[in-house]
Amino acid sequence: GESVGLHLPTLSVQEGDNSIINCAYSNSASDYFIWYKQESGKGPQFIIDIRSNMDKRQGQRVTVLLNKTVKHLSLQIAATQPGDSAVYFCAENILGGYQKVTFGTGTKLQVIP
Amino acid sequence: NAGVTQTPKFQVLKTGQSMTLQCAQDMNHNSMYWYRQDPGMGLRLIYYSASEGTTDKGEVPNGYNVSRLNKREFSLRLESAAPSQTSVYFCASRGGQGANTIYFGEGSWLTVV
Repeated sequence: GESVGLHLPTLSVQEGDNSIINCAYSNSASDYFIWYKQESGKGPQFIIDIRSNMDKRQGQRVTVLLNKTVKHLSLQIAATQPGDSAVYFCAENILGGYQKVTFGTGTKLQVIP
Repeated sequence: NAGVTQTPKFQVLKTGQSMTLQCAQDMNHNSMYWYRQDPGMGLRLIYYSASEGTTDKGEVPNGYNVSRLNKREFSLRLESAAPSQTSVYFCASRGGQGANTIYFGEGSWLTVV
């Protein structure tokens, strides 16, 4: 079946360095992708999204890259801070259709001070 | 603007007991969702409501019922709790046509003993 997955379950990064979190998706019909951040004991929080007609989108300190050829999504966090420590989920969706969003299992980002 | 609020935050149930998780959103969103989150499983959709007056099953609906009481409120009921329902439950909502971001509540930690 279709799935959304992550390459690395845990990522440790030195404070100030850049972080890259990867995600693979398998539903070629998906045309909308989202990254969520989930801090311990809290609900997932929207970070950034990207539509399939784009290959890059930038936000504040975050960039999402989409490679449709290999069905790969990545989240780049610049100058990682301790407050970035959390679990990051990628998710896929089909715009305009069934409103279900499929979530990956998550990558835990640990920022080393 | 509180976003999505859900209660209770924590609950311990005995096997066979029933309970209802309450959820309300103040963003005038049409769609509401209930997810459960288990270690290594990601977020799995239990039920969703595309609009007031409609509900549909998600991936893991067995053992649950829902009620879309009005546009604001969407409750999840466990009629006869089982240990397999020990999980963290998240309510979420999404806006109308063209809106894609899902907003989550803070979660409800449920333990069934």
